Amino acid sequence: DAKTTQPPSMDCAEGRAANLPCNHSTISGNEYVYWYRQIHSQGPQYIIHGLKNNETNEMASLIITEDRKSSTLILPHATLRDTAVYYCIVRVNYGGSQGNLIFGKGTKLSVKP
Amino acid sequence: NAGVTQTPKFQVLKTGQSMTLQCAQDMNHEYMSWYRQDPGMGLRLIHYSVGAGITDQGEVPNGYNVSRSTTEDFPLRLLSAAPSQTSVYFCASSLGPHAGNTIYFGEGSWLTVV
Repeated sequence: DAKTTQPPSMDCAEGRAANLPCNHSTISGNEYVYWYRQIHSQGPQYIIHGLKNNETNEMASLIITEDRKSSTLILPHATLRDTAVYYCIVRVNYGGSQGNLIFGKGTKLSVKP
Repeated sequence: NAGVTQTPKFQVLKTGQSMTLQCAQDMNHEYMSWYRQDPGMGLRLIHYSVGAGITDQGEVPNGYNVSRSTTEDFPLRLLSAAPSQTSVYFCASSLGPHAGNTIYFGEGSWLTVV
């Protein structure tokens, strides 16, 4: 089962920041938080990942709480092309299924003009 | 650099037929995997491989077979297609299984079994 909880849907106005929350209260110390998005059944697109520290790249920022039990993906200036399903994934780093991604249902983000 | 390439993009099969979905990557990635996605659902892991000659089962392996004879290729075989295998299939790869290595996905193969 997915180790994350996300709201099923969110709306955001074009040009505004989109803040997508994710709860992962059972995350272990060496498990990473990954974010992917999927636009209309295309292949999942990698956005960003982090372990403990906040991360930023050209697409987004990832804010992880100090206790690591939740995180927020921030798209600083959302555009219509950011409309997609966003998946927050806790990725295990040990054991037989090491490295595999376990997807939940994600958050459907709708960016509106 | 093509990334992860899947063929065919679309396929219609009759129940009981067999076929192979092809996946190739040109990034010298050791880790490759196959997922399926049913309508309104997230992706589910079918099989994965941590290197040439090594494969293992994921969450939903029944009805599928894989082999990894080279680093570049990871084909997925449907032995006897069933309507329940109608789905979108995604191949993925990364440098290795360590959770810090980013996984990259192909564009998908749409399979319909009638």
